[in-house]
Amino acid sequence: GENVEQHPSTLSVQEGDSAVIKCTYSDSASNYFPWYKQELGKRPQLIIDIRSNVGEKKDQRIAVTLNKTAKHFSLHITETQPEDSAVYFCAARGIGQFYFGTGTSLTVIP
Amino acid sequence: GAGVSQTPSNKVTEKGKYVELRCDPISGHTALYWYRQSLGQGPEFLIYFQGTGAADDSGLPNDRFFAVRPEGSVSTLKIQRTERGDSAVYLCASSRRVGTNTGELFFGEGSRLTVL
Repeated sequence: GENVEQHPSTLSVQEGDSAVIKCTYSDSASNYFPWYKQELGKRPQLIIDIRSNVGEKKDQRIAVTLNKTAKHFSLHITETQPEDSAVYFCAARGIGQFYFGTGTSLTVIP
Repeated sequence: GAGVSQTPSNKVTEKGKYVELRCDPISGHTALYWYRQSLGQGPEFLIYFQGTGAADDSGLPNDRFFAVRPEGSVSTLKIQRTERGDSAVYLCASSRRVGTNTGELFFGEGSRLTVL
């Protein structure tokens, strides 16, 4: 099955700085890579996703890059704000179930 | 409903007891997933359904865990002879379709299970 690894497990940045979270996956059949944000005690919610036929996708302050050859993808958050503080999960899916990374706890310091 | 609904939101039980956790997906979503999330960890895949059938139950940890979705909508996760290690948040998610196309997962709020 798929194995998704995520780094770092915790990340602290100053408000306004950028944050980068990296994930690797093992199954070359995986073709869809979403990122979820989970605030304390709440459900995970999709913030951005990328398909395997695209190398980069951007949505305002958030961007995701995918390197299929190296089997890794990254989340980039620019101009971070205190409300970006949360746990972020990457995931990979081929046909069927999603496999999630172990999460990155992001703290944005005002 | 507007979103994925899970009941109960909290369940405290004693070791050895039987529990059922219910998930009501978004109307029209054919795919339904169960995940388990322990503190500080990512969601761990348990089982997913496409319609009424379990398309993949390889994540169920042992035969004490079972899930059904008899009419292709509501699903129930059943845990027999609960153990303290079963304590976690059980998340349910649904999506419109499964396959090579994308399908955003919509999560419920989860059912927090505590086994004493």
